[in-house]
Amino acid sequence: GAGVSQSPSNKVTEKGKDVELRCDPISGHTALYWYRQSLGQGLEFLIYFQGNSAPDKSGLPSDRFSAERTGGSVSTLTIQRTQQEDSAVYLCASSLVHGGGTPYEQYFGPGTRLTVT
Amino acid sequence: SQQGEEDPQALSIQEGENATMNCSYKTSINNLQWYRQNSGRGLVHLILIRSNEREKHSGRLRVTLDTSKKSSSLLITASRAADTASYFCATGRSGNTGKLIFGQGTTLQVKP
Repeated sequence: GAGVSQSPSNKVTEKGKDVELRCDPISGHTALYWYRQSLGQGLEFLIYFQGNSAPDKSGLPSDRFSAERTGGSVSTLTIQRTQQEDSAVYLCASSLVHGGGTPYEQYFGPGTRLTVT
Repeated sequence: SQQGEEDPQALSIQEGENATMNCSYKTSINNLQWYRQNSGRGLVHLILIRSNEREKHSGRLRVTLDTSKKSSSLLITASRAADTASYFCATGRSGNTGKLIFGQGTTLQVKP
């Protein structure tokens, strides 16, 4: 089946503008994650959705960042009033999460490269 | 803040040699996973090892986990030029198996 898809693949925006990044997870995956990766760095966790539970927003760097997941499927990451330090690759991943604490691997999308000028 | 720290940061070897990458972490974990990234875009899962396991194999990959030292290693045997990539360890904490915390990664170059 199809993997995780993200759009757009590249986004260039002016400082101060709002942007929306989209993620389509693998069908049937109840967990969805957003990460940010700056050039040459590791992944920084942003937010995690699991089923109908309240999302774990502990990684969002400021209140300019927000995310939604509609109908337990597609997710949108919104960055308001973008700043140059927001420039990075934004990666989305999805996974199965079973009860009982069984860990599962995450499947990543190709990412959206955001450049704030 | 990052949980895992990989070392070395960069590694360059000849095709056919073995590559070893290490990962250290700070808190109790439920599982540890290794991922590979080509060209700075999407990551691909390589192997998952649970906290009650000590060693796992998958093809040319061997992962060890020492929870007493809070460390893991990834060994790639008989490396190929196609193994050139960045490798990341990621830890899942006890009680929260979904969220992963990634390290900074090791960049591996395999010269043909």
